[in-house]
Amino acid sequence: ETGVTQTPRHLVMGMTNKKSLKCEQHLGHNAMYWYKQSAKKPLELMFVYSLEERVENNSVPSRFSPECPNSSHLFLHLHTLQPEDSALYLCASSQGTGGRHEQYFGPGTRLTVT
Amino acid sequence: DQQVKQNSPSLSVQEGRISILNCDYTNSMFDYFLWYKKYPAEGPTFLISISSIKDKNEDGRFTVFLNKSAKHLSLHIVPSQPGDSAVYFCAASKFNNDMRFGAGTRLTVKP
Repeated sequence: ETGVTQTPRHLVMGMTNKKSLKCEQHLGHNAMYWYKQSAKKPLELMFVYSLEERVENNSVPSRFSPECPNSSHLFLHLHTLQPEDSALYLCASSQGTGGRHEQYFGPGTRLTVT
Repeated sequence: DQQVKQNSPSLSVQEGRISILNCDYTNSMFDYFLWYKKYPAEGPTFLISISSIKDKNEDGRFTVFLNKSAKHLSLHIVPSQPGDSAVYFCAASKFNNDMRFGAGTRLTVKP
């Protein structure tokens, strides 16, 4: 148990659907992250939130919309996705931002876009 | 631009032998390096790290070596155990910047 939970664990959606991924951390951390992991590719950092403010957005298409209502919760709202968006979406948290802080990952949401 | 590279997608080792996982990076500004381990259906978990001021860090069966001139680091697991079978990710960072991950190496330790 890493202290970071993600729901749902699996999601299949059509290209016209709207869905949301949820992440919750129980570690008292103040930074949260969304990553995308496609097969045989590095983890791609999508968004970083520090103290509920977005501090990084790595040129992610607008069909992905993050939301951080408080330091324990992070959402990723999805709409009009493409089949190439099918991947494992990982949430992580850390005590602070910056590379010195070990990140704790959730189990991920396996997303399939049909 | 893939700044952290793990060129071996998979590695198979006999139980009890040494596993050596390799990682190369291109950005000389990276000064902190980490290894994460990932089992199926779980998120990556932190394994071991090393600062650029060191060339070796050891934690039990796990040792990370850093060669800054070659921009190369490696993870040694001795002795390897079947429970070590997982995907291992290398990550690198600069101070106050976020981590960049490699694509991972799948290690299989055969009994």
